[in-house]
Amino acid sequence: AQSVTQPDIHITVSEGASLELRCNYSYGATPYLFWYVQSPGQGLQLLLKYFSGDTLVQGIKGFEAEFKRSQSSFNLRKPSVHWSDAAEYFCAVGPRPGSSNTGKLIFGQGTTLQVKP
Amino acid sequence: SAVISQKPSRDICQRGTSLTIQCQVDSQVTMMFWYRQQPGQSLTLIATANQGSEATYESGFVIDKFPISRPNLTFSTLTVSNMSPEDSSIYLCSVGYGEVGNQPQHFGDGTRLSIL
Repeated sequence: AQSVTQPDIHITVSEGASLELRCNYSYGATPYLFWYVQSPGQGLQLLLKYFSGDTLVQGIKGFEAEFKRSQSSFNLRKPSVHWSDAAEYFCAVGPRPGSSNTGKLIFGQGTTLQVKP
Repeated sequence: SAVISQKPSRDICQRGTSLTIQCQVDSQVTMMFWYRQQPGQSLTLIATANQGSEATYESGFVIDKFPISRPNLTFSTLTVSNMSPEDSSIYLCSVGYGEVGNQPQHFGDGTRLSIL
């Protein structure tokens, strides 16, 4: 079965501290991988994506993520968290072109990030 | 990326009524999708809106409950029919460009729906 697991429902970090949000997936083939952020009352904003190539991808707002095929993981990191990073973060996987499931994204349950001053 | 506008942004509706949500994109897109985000939950795909043909629904979602239209490459509507409190959710429109799966999907700000 295809699924995305974000083991941490809620994380609290101090401003300026480093951050890592975990994401593990189960998929029949190598998927495309995404991280989205949802601020309160807002839609989803794409932070970064991985399609192929360098397994360490850089995104917006200073975020990066590393694809580890052997671990079926795509963890999101940021070296120094800002108070404005407080939001809900979603990991998602999607099929490669040509799949019968083209366009269908599978989302994790989300991780709520709280930032302490 | 495209600008995606959803209307209404929020609404409070009575049980048994229906509401149509509009999604307008400022450029032509290949694919449009509708997702539901129940309170405290993740996103679940309702259906893919196909231009000029019937939408493709995911398991657990049916056309009678969630009729969808897509008259052109920039516009789609989702109707939530005969609403009950269980339909209280955020409904999000998403668009994909080119060969979907080769490009990420972009989301609107969503419609926050509460059913009394």
